[in-house]
Amino acid sequence: AAGVIQSPRHLIKEKRETATLKCYPIPRHDTVYWYQQGPGQDPQFLISFYEKMQSDKGSIPDRFSAQQFSDYHSELNMSSLELGDSALYFCASSLEFPGGRDTQYFGPGTRLTVL
Amino acid sequence: AQTVTQSQPEMSVQEAETVTLSCTYDTSESDYYLFWYKQPPSRQMILVIRQEAYKQQNATENRFSVNFQKAAKSFSLKISDSQLGDAAMYFCAYKTGTASKLTFGTGTRLQVTL
Repeated sequence: AAGVIQSPRHLIKEKRETATLKCYPIPRHDTVYWYQQGPGQDPQFLISFYEKMQSDKGSIPDRFSAQQFSDYHSELNMSSLELGDSALYFCASSLEFPGGRDTQYFGPGTRLTVL
Repeated sequence: AQTVTQSQPEMSVQEAETVTLSCTYDTSESDYYLFWYKQPPSRQMILVIRQEAYKQQNATENRFSVNFQKAAKSFSLKISDSQLGDAAMYFCAYKTGTASKLTFGTGTRLQVTL
């Protein structure tokens, strides 16, 4: 079965640079979620989109922005990168009606290292 | 705010034995879902099992089963016939029926020994 695809898998950036992470949800899934997992920590919810509209927002820094496109893929844009942004970034997708009742399936993650 | 607590940072089990991982949660919601995710060394987040709060019957998936005690707000995971491939970090997670986000516990690292 097709899974969530994330690219790139690994990314190395310098401080103050920008980064763009991409997520391709499972076919027919209409909702995507972004999570950040720091070293030794549990994943923290950043933001989600349902049918190309932002549906929920968590602890996402103002330096980050995201959107979902007409083909349902999503991009997380990160600017003015800081050392503390080094983490594993997960995208997850689900098929759900308004109300968020279905299960989230995670991609393999993008490991971002900021030097 | 909803919280998820996993009080066992590490657990160890011998191959073929049974182990139970604990999880408690705090919520005032009546409509919610509970999950166990497995994160092996590859760091992939893999869904193990899910439970709807309105269902009284405990969910099972092959060797994995849960003990859902709604009044006690407890959601433990039992792994039977443990295998070496079960070694991983296990996260308990909670989601309301209306919100998008998953709230995770801090995880339990499971070691499987020969």
